[in-house]
Amino acid sequence: DQQVKQNSPSLSVQEGRISILNCDYTNSMFDYFLWYKKYPAEGPTFLISISSIKDKNEDGRFTVFLNKSAKHLSLHIVPSQPGDSAVYFCAARVYNQGGKLIFGQGTELSVKP
Amino acid sequence: GAVVSQHPSWVICKSGTSVKIECRSLDFQATTMFWYRQFPKQSLMLMATSNEGSKATYEQGVEKDKFLINHASLTLSTLTVTSAHPEDSSFYICSTAVWGNEQYFGPGTRLTVT
Repeated sequence: DQQVKQNSPSLSVQEGRISILNCDYTNSMFDYFLWYKKYPAEGPTFLISISSIKDKNEDGRFTVFLNKSAKHLSLHIVPSQPGDSAVYFCAARVYNQGGKLIFGQGTELSVKP
Repeated sequence: GAVVSQHPSWVICKSGTSVKIECRSLDFQATTMFWYRQFPKQSLMLMATSNEGSKATYEQGVEKDKFLINHASLTLSTLTVTSAHPEDSSFYICSTAVWGNEQYFGPGTRLTVT
């Protein structure tokens, strides 16, 4: 049973445009949501996070939106740059379990010049 | 961000042998570390939670006798894959929680069992 889902395995965007990566979850026992960027054969790099009591968090070009009623979050990258091309994972932290994260399947973003 | 290192970055071993992977936190003390595994084109799956000075907590379906975890100090956790088989070939990644809300990952170790 996949508790965190990224239904789009890939996304292609033109440089300068907005990239929107989506993530859905089914468990209400998540207290934090995180987005990671990953290249092949490397560890994930932390991008941005959001508490379950917030609905938006912004950091530079990255903004994460959380819709708790829909159990949906999204990562917006504006403007997209070719260097943003990578696999993006959303992760949910399980409440009161020492930091345990559940990851989605990942979305491969390709930003074309 | 916090720095987490792993060693080795890549290892090839023969079936039936054991392999040890080290995970170090370089600039902070980590009471808790996590071990993940990622198969090609798939998600990161949590294998176990490693707590300094106590036994690791394994996720359902992960064999604790096959994947031995030791967290003897605040800066080092090790994962030993015992009697490795080709199906254990994967990308193993450790991480640690820092300041409660963020988790930083090591660069990963690619294990190939022939």
